[in-house]
Amino acid sequence: KQEVTQIPAALSVPEGENLVLNCSFTDSAIYNLQWFRQDPGKGLTSLLLIQSSQREQTSGRLNASLDKSSGRSTLYIAASQPGDSATYLCAAGSGNTPLVFGKGTRLSVIA
Amino acid sequence: SAVISQKPSRDICQRGTSLTIQCQVDSQVTMMFWYRQQPGQSLTLIATANQGSEATYESGFVIDKFPISRPNLTFSTLTVSNMSPEDSSIYLCSVDKRERRYNEQFFGPGTRLTVL
Repeated sequence: KQEVTQIPAALSVPEGENLVLNCSFTDSAIYNLQWFRQDPGKGLTSLLLIQSSQREQTSGRLNASLDKSSGRSTLYIAASQPGDSATYLCAAGSGNTPLVFGKGTRLSVIA
Repeated sequence: SAVISQKPSRDICQRGTSLTIQCQVDSQVTMMFWYRQQPGQSLTLIATANQGSEATYESGFVIDKFPISRPNLTFSTLTVSNMSPEDSSIYLCSVDKRERRYNEQFFGPGTRLTVL
């Protein structure tokens, strides 16, 4: 059974800092890894999806990488801004079943 | 992508009552899911809503408590029955268009439920 872990659970950084959020998964037989953002009391916004055949995906200041062999993915946020404050969730997809989610990293960017 | 709407966006309900949450998608989708997110927690899958047949429930969730309908490929409802304060959560509808080999899910804005 797939299990997804995210470290750290919470992170507070000053504005402008580059930061890395970590995600690990136990079953490397995944089809894709998806990163989401969730603002308090809101739904999930899809940020990036990495297919199993890919190593990374980029969107603006966000870069997500995937290393299937080690069961790890990272989300890199460059030049962080207060508007980046949210909870970031990663989820592993196995193709035939719904995504399995980590517990998220709660990010606070201080102006 | 997919545009997903949910109704209601939030509600405050009394213990013992039931609430039906609607999920509408702007295009036909193969798979629809219902998740629950309790305060401070991550997402827990309640069930997969199957078009034309009974929903598939995850361990710990039963049809009597969370009846689900899916009359067509763009719409589903989740009912939270005989509510208690422990049911206070955000309920999220999600879809997977399954147009490609991998699964990419999209989420609705959620329904924030408070049970008194």
